Amino acid sequence: DAGITQSPRYKITETGRQVTLMCHQTWSHSYMFWYRQDLGHGLRLIYYSAAADITDKGEVPDGYVVSRSKTENFPLTLESATRSQTSVYFCASRAPGPRIDTEAFFGQGTRLTVV
Amino acid sequence: ELKVEQNPLFLSMQEGKNYTIYCNYSTTSDRLYWYRQDPGKSLESLFVLLSNGAVKQEGRLMASLDTKARLSTLHITAAVHDLSATYFCAVDHLPIIQGAQKLVFGQGTRLTINP
Repeated sequence: DAGITQSPRYKITETGRQVTLMCHQTWSHSYMFWYRQDLGHGLRLIYYSAAADITDKGEVPDGYVVSRSKTENFPLTLESATRSQTSVYFCASRAPGPRIDTEAFFGQGTRLTVV
Repeated sequence: ELKVEQNPLFLSMQEGKNYTIYCNYSTTSDRLYWYRQDPGKSLESLFVLLSNGAVKQEGRLMASLDTKARLSTLHITAAVHDLSATYFCAVDHLPIIQGAQKLVFGQGTRLTINP
């Protein structure tokens, strides 16, 4: 199916464990993003990527690692999960172009609980 | 640093009434997006506003952009229960020279429409 998909949809993990959230898009969009959504904060950018092998930090990158070896995949890893990383995580992608005037498209979200 | 602020953050209104959600942003940008999020769901694109004075309408929703005032409004006309959701505005972080466009989101406005 075309679109952007995240997995898993729900995850419970223990403090200190490593967790990887997956994001896959079928549009060949150059740009991909990871946001976290917490009550009262809207969506905050964790990391973003302009293309394969090009990534950069967003507003709240501490404790997270990303990679992008293929255009269609953008996994997010929590190296040692903490309770403060309990959140809903959204992956998004955007089309490329000399003038970026398209909106970002979002995955369904991953609800992560760290206990 | 681009900051995006919405108000109100919570809005409860009756069916049939009109109201406006405001989105202010702190630095120059001429690209603004409105999204809708239903509880437990992902974000759905509503409007893309790409220039000063842009106005878009879809059903009972109308969005406008004033880049000089750094202000966008989302106007709801004759509200119906189905419009109950959380609405986010998002602004493209300029300048776009590094190759990756970062959307910065407002905190969201939780809209409840009562019969």
